[in-house]
Amino acid sequence: DQQVKQNSPSLSVQEGRISILNCDYTNSMFDYFLWYKKYPAEGPTFLISISSIKDKNEDGRFTVFLNKSAKHLSLHIVPSQPGDSAVYFCAARGGGGSNYKLTFGKGTLLTVNP
Amino acid sequence: DGGITQSPKYLFRKEGQNVTLSCEQNLNHDAMYWYRQDPGQGLRLIYYSQIVNDFQKGDIAEGYSVSREKKESFPLTVTSAQKNPTAFYLCASSRGDRGPNSNQPQHFGDGTRLSIL
Repeated sequence: DQQVKQNSPSLSVQEGRISILNCDYTNSMFDYFLWYKKYPAEGPTFLISISSIKDKNEDGRFTVFLNKSAKHLSLHIVPSQPGDSAVYFCAARGGGGSNYKLTFGKGTLLTVNP
Repeated sequence: DGGITQSPKYLFRKEGQNVTLSCEQNLNHDAMYWYRQDPGQGLRLIYYSQIVNDFQKGDIAEGYSVSREKKESFPLTVTSAQKNPTAFYLCASSRGDRGPNSNQPQHFGDGTRLSIL
């Protein structure tokens, strides 16, 4: 039972364009959502997060949108750069105020072409 | 530099052996976590600890054991009971679990890749 789904295993965009990575979830108790970026043979790096009480959070080139009614969130990267090429993981935290458990999607490989 | 250090980066285990993966953090974080990543998969939680001398099982704790004797350290032992130990193991930490710090992300080390000889 996959509670966090990233349905696109890969995405390819041109440098300078927008990258949109999508994530769907099924558990309405999730209260905090995060995006991580991962290079091969390295640990994930935290990018940006959003609380369930908000619908948008922006940090530089990265914006996360949350649509609670659709149980959908997306990460927008504008403009995309070749250094953004990596695997992006969506993660969600269980409700009840506990930070202990994150549920991860399987990741989307983003390739930004020069 | 503050961060999370995992060692070794690569580890090989013979059948029937226990091996211990090290995780140290100097971020003064209360909570620490162990995840496992398999090819094409997301991260799955093995064990977590919210405070020294306390830890809880995650989703896939069978065949693993942990200890949390110091705030900075959270070693993971992969026992011979773990039938499929080949994977990439990631340690993470985060600030306190309650109150105004509760929306804090987990930060990860660079992982240990365990393989069976």
